[in-house]
Amino acid sequence: GQQLNQSPQSMFIQEGEDVSMNCTSSSIFNTWLWYKQDPGEGPVLLIALYKAGELTSNGRLTAQFGITRKDSFLNISASIPSDVGIYFCAGQPYGSGNTGKLIFGQGTTLQVKP
Amino acid sequence: GAGVSQTPSNKVTEKGKYVELRCDPISGHTALYWYRQSLGQGPEFLIYFQGTGAADDSGLPNDRFFAVRPEGSVSTLKIQRTERGDSAVYLCASSSRTSRDTQYFGPGTRLTVL
Repeated sequence: GQQLNQSPQSMFIQEGEDVSMNCTSSSIFNTWLWYKQDPGEGPVLLIALYKAGELTSNGRLTAQFGITRKDSFLNISASIPSDVGIYFCAGQPYGSGNTGKLIFGQGTTLQVKP
Repeated sequence: GAGVSQTPSNKVTEKGKYVELRCDPISGHTALYWYRQSLGQGPEFLIYFQGTGAADDSGLPNDRFFAVRPEGSVSTLKIQRTERGDSAVYLCASSSRTSRDTQYFGPGTRLTVL
């Protein structure tokens, strides 16, 4: 089946540093989304990307939909302790019939040292 | 406004028992999704409802799993003859008909099969 390869698997950074994580696939995606999940909670949508090449920001977060439609990255600038959590990329595969079915990456665990 | 709610938040059952997990989507959202998340993994798609009908059930692992949405709002995921491997967090998400890939998740039900 279709898979998303998300990296890095985990990151431990100092408060104030910038963070970058990415997601790649061997197949084309129509939509890319980035979610954050805290322990015991469901994923919370951070950014949604709908067009190849699109670059979108949400506060300190910036994400881009790769031009090949097979990858996406998420940057977090000036990290703060509340950025701690697991970040997931997700995408709607091309040809999935517009059902909205999402494929998720394995997640990037972010820890921030004050 | 109210988000997606799921009950119970935790369910412990014995191998072979039957369980029902409930999801209340965001009011007005016609699309509803069930995902399953194993420890350390991203969510995996189970089933998608558009209104009352299951438009895509390709993610259900076997015929022990079944889901209904009789009035197009609340949905129930039913698992028969539970197995230890069914232990996971079961997440529900909903979206509007016009933006199916922008999904909002509930907090999940943690199912433990002893």
